[in-house]
Amino acid sequence: DSGVTQTPKHLITATGQRVTLRCSPRSGDLSVYWYQQSLDQGLQFLIQYYNGEERAKGNILERFSAQQFPDLHSELNLSSLELGDSALYFCASSVSGHSGNTIYFGEGSWLTVV
Amino acid sequence: SQELEQSPQSLIVQEGKNLTINCTSSKTLYGLYWYKQKYGEGLIFLMMLQKGGEEKSHEKITAKLDEKKQQSSLHITASQPSHAGIYLCGADWREGNKLVFGAGTILRVKS
Repeated sequence: DSGVTQTPKHLITATGQRVTLRCSPRSGDLSVYWYQQSLDQGLQFLIQYYNGEERAKGNILERFSAQQFPDLHSELNLSSLELGDSALYFCASSVSGHSGNTIYFGEGSWLTVV
Repeated sequence: SQELEQSPQSLIVQEGKNLTINCTSSKTLYGLYWYKQKYGEGLIFLMMLQKGGEEKSHEKITAKLDEKKQQSSLHITASQPSHAGIYLCGADWREGNKLVFGAGTILRVKS
C-alpha cells in the first residue's frame, strides 16, 4: 500500500458525460500528480499541484481540469467524455514536488466511456 | 516518449534465470525511477537513482545508473514468478517537476 488513495476504482459512463476522480495523497505529501495510462499512449503526465497551486502542466486536454484543496486532496474533472478518454487514471504524490523526491502512485481509477 | 526508450519491450524467462531491462535517455537524467506494475493495478516504487555510477539493490533486484547519467539498467537475479509484471522507468529531466515514463517492459516468468 503506497498510502495514496484514489476513488472510485472503477467507473463506467456514457459519452458526453462528466466525472470526477478523487485522490488523497500520502500523509505529509504536499504535491499531487495526475497521470493517464492507455494502451496506445502509455503513461502520460497530465498535471501537478503543489500545496494548492498548479505547478506543472502536461498534455492535459481542455476538457479536463484539476484542483488541489486546502486539505491537500485533489480532484480531476473530466467533461464531455469521449470514447478515447477510456483509460486508467493515476494519482501520485511526493513530499515537495522537487526533483529527487520519491513519487508514490495510487491504485488508479479505471474509466470506461461507452 | 521516444526520448526515453526501454528495451526489451517484452521478455519471457525461465524461473531461476537472470535478466536485464534497459532504459536509455536522450537527455541527462537528474533522477531515474523504476516502478513495477501488475496489469491494471498501481505502480509500485522500486528504486530511485540520481548519481552517475550509482547502484542500488533490493532483494534480488539491482538497478544502476551509468556514469554519464543517460542509461539505467535493472537486473533481476534468479527470477521468480513473483517478479512477473510490467517494469517502467521514469525520467526526471528537471522539466516541470514531472516524470516522463518509458513504454514499459512486460516480464513473464515461466515456472
